[in-house]
Amino acid sequence: DGGITQSPKYLFRKEGQNVTLSCEQNLNHDAMYWYRQDPGQGLRLIYYSQIVNDFQKGDIAEGYSVSREKKESFPLTVTSAQKNPTAFYLCASSKGQGVYNEQFFGPGTRLTVL
Amino acid sequence: QQPVQSPQAVILREGEDAVINCSSSKALYSVHWYRQKHGEAPVFLMILLKGGEQKGHDKISASFNEKKQQSSLYLTASQLSYSGTYFCGTFTGTASKLTFGTGTRLQVTL
Repeated sequence: DGGITQSPKYLFRKEGQNVTLSCEQNLNHDAMYWYRQDPGQGLRLIYYSQIVNDFQKGDIAEGYSVSREKKESFPLTVTSAQKNPTAFYLCASSKGQGVYNEQFFGPGTRLTVL
Repeated sequence: QQPVQSPQAVILREGEDAVINCSSSKALYSVHWYRQKHGEAPVFLMILLKGGEQKGHDKISASFNEKKQQSSLYLTASQLSYSGTYFCGTFTGTASKLTFGTGTRLQVTL
């Protein structure tokens, strides 16, 4: 079955540590996205990539980094520079340009900083 | 800029209807609607495009008023499974990314 996988489902991190969240898709989608969701809030875009080896900052990119070396993979690193990283992180992908195409979401990773 | 959704929350009895609104301060190219159940990923419902084209769920309807820069999602004869948080996402002419509203929490009771 095609879909998006994120790992791990739950992640605990000590303050000051970098951590990388995995996102893999086998939908053959060109575009991939990372969102952050805080309790009772909407989804805020961190980074997005429309093609391999290219990505753009979203609305809240500070303290995060990404890479897009393969079409299937779009890992997100939460660095120690991110002041309040505890949140629910969602990865998504779409077939092409986002304005015309629905986004498919992975199950999410819940990150807690201790 | 983030679209504004209204109402913020609504409680319905099974079988009742609801309307969720999404307004933007900028001209819209498309509006996306998603539903998220607690602790789960958002699920696509519908896309409404400038010019009138729609893609999405057979049992859900929505409107897109380009002049007013707003969209409405119509949930008729609600079922318990409709419970969740509904998000609209907007594409405006100045950005090539989807911007989500803060959501409308819908609870359907017996």
